[in-house]
Order: sequence, then C-alpha cells, then structure tokens
Amino acid sequence: AQSVAQPEDQVNVAEGNPLTVKCTYSVSGNPYLFWYVQYPNRGLQFLLKYITGDNLVKGSYGFEAEFNKSQTSFHLKKPSALVSDSALYFCAVRVQTGSARQLTFGSGTQLTVLP
Amino acid sequence: ETGVTQTPRHLVMGMTNKKSLKCEQHLGHNAMYWYKQSAKKPLELMFVYNFKEQTENNSVPSRFSPECPNSSHLFLHLHTLQPEDSALYLCASSQDRDTYNSPLHFGNGTRLTVT
Repeated sequence: AQSVAQPEDQVNVAEGNPLTVKCTYSVSGNPYLFWYVQYPNRGLQFLLKYITGDNLVKGSYGFEAEFNKSQTSFHLKKPSALVSDSALYFCAVRVQTGSARQLTFGSGTQLTVLP
Repeated sequence: ETGVTQTPRHLVMGMTNKKSLKCEQHLGHNAMYWYKQSAKKPLELMFVYNFKEQTENNSVPSRFSPECPNSSHLFLHLHTLQPEDSALYLCASSQDRDTYNSPLHFGNGTRLTVT
C-alpha cells in the first residue's frame, strides 16, 4: 500500500526567511509526487509535481520541491516566505502499478508566516 | 478562478432531509472525483468516475449516492445523513483516471453541516 507522511502539523516561519514543509512517502514502484495548497474556504490548488527527470522541481508562487529517492522524501521549499503563503499544504503520491492508482494525500501541514 | 464549480457553498440539513451537491467542470476532463475533508483527517476519496462510469467506491455508506450524467457534471445525492457526515465535500477533475502525471483540479467545496 502507498502512504504519505507529513510529520509536522504546524510550521511557523518569519516573513523573508526560507521555509520547508516536509513530506516522506512509501510506495512500491516509481512515485508520482504532488504538492497542493489550500487557502481558507477554498479547494486544493495544484502547486507542482515530480514525475521524472531533475530532482528539483519548480512550481507556482516561487515554490520548489526536491525529490530524494534514497530518503523517499519530497520536501517543499521556498527561499523567502511571504505572509500570503500562510495556508494548508498537502503532499500526495500515486504509482502506476497495481490497484493503487489514485492519489494518496498526507494529513496536511499548516504553514503560518509571521510578519 | 477555478475551472471546477461546486454548488452550494454551504448547506445545512437535518438528518431526515434529502439534498444534492452539484459539481461542474469546464476543463474538458474525463475523470471526476468526490472527496470528503474532515478536520484533522487526511482527505478521503469517496467516488471516482472515468468517462461517466463509476470506477471506485471506497466503502462509502449508501446514504451517499453519486451520479455522473456526463463528463462535465457530477452530483452527490444525500439522504438520512448523520452528524458525523458534517465536513467539506470537494469535487475534483483530471484528464482521466489513468493519466498518472495529470494533477487534480479541485472546486472550492461544499461545507455541509448535518443537524
């Protein structure tokens, strides 16, 4: 079975500082990895994905994520946080084999950027 | 503006009521999904439709009944719900169920309260 872990329920960072939101995964096979963001009273918005190729993936709003196969991680990063980045962030994984075709989401990390 | 529209945004219903949630996507996608989002819990996949055919029902109680008349529209019919069914119900679409690198596009959800 595939699974995703977001070990931190809450991350606080000061505006202008770099931010990291952690994600680790467990799958059988090659993973497709995604990050989504959810603002209050909104649905999830797609930020970026890793399918294959370069381990560093760039996405919307200045976010990027680094795929690390040996550590089975896909941490979300941004060099300089903005107050407007405060939201709920979800990591998700899917594989192309077996019956585990659908996205499996992590439990989410609430990011708060302090002015 | 999201390409997936959900109505209503908020719904309060009694346990004996019958109501329906509506979802419409304008993205030309062929797969549509219902998710349930409860506080402090991972997103729960409820139903998947691919080219109008239901392909997954993740052990959802029969008081939830989906309907997909075409690839652009998805309904969730509700009857005799329980208070624990109160949650944010999210609709999503994707290119199709089996294009694994295709991200999901979410609507803004219907906040359901069962009294």
